[in-house]
Amino acid sequence: KAGVTQTPRYLIKTRGQQVTLSCSPISGHRSVSWYQQTPGQGLQFLFEYFSETQRNKGNFPGRFSGRQFSNSRSEMNVSTLELGDSALYLCASSFSGNNEQFFGPGTRLTVL
Amino acid sequence: KQEVTQIPAALSVPEGENLVLNCSFTDSAIYNLQWFRQDPGKGLTSLLLIQSSQREQTSGRLNASLDKSSGRSTLYIAASQPGDSATYLCAVRSQDQAGTALIFGKGTTLSVSS
Repeated sequence: KAGVTQTPRYLIKTRGQQVTLSCSPISGHRSVSWYQQTPGQGLQFLFEYFSETQRNKGNFPGRFSGRQFSNSRSEMNVSTLELGDSALYLCASSFSGNNEQFFGPGTRLTVL
Repeated sequence: KQEVTQIPAALSVPEGENLVLNCSFTDSAIYNLQWFRQDPGKGLTSLLLIQSSQREQTSGRLNASLDKSSGRSTLYIAASQPGDSATYLCAVRSQDQAGTALIFGKGTTLSVSS
């Protein structure tokens, strides 16, 4: 069974640009969650999608948005990038959200 | 607001030693608790999931316990190996979340020397 995949693995952007990250969950999983990991703040929850609906949202500005497609794949978008957005962005999938979470390898975003 | 703390932040042990990693949380109303391992620059690997009704879970050399009333969990690693070197993260899912957010501790970085 294939694991959670994330693309791209690495991204370099400049301030003010926007970026879109993609996540493909484990087959059969309907919940996809996104997390931001930085050395200072650790892992912080961004949002969770279930059956194409945002079910939960963390404490991040509106520049961070996401969506989920009918095949459960999810995308995360960050607009007007800031230097502080440099981080490892991790996607996790689970069957229904309250079950065991499985994480992808992450996308390393560097904002210059 | 749920907060998760992991002590110590770093731990160095010689190969073969048994060790315990600690995790504490402030709100005992949790759905479950999950332990992860993270290698440098990589994603998280799930090690063990303990439901709120369970006291412990075991997988190979790993044993995780949960004491909800005291807000504590421990991860016991038996006969440590250099390959166990990684950062270990504890995460809880609180009952008061409308969805499924995991609240993470900052992790314990383990180094096992041969």
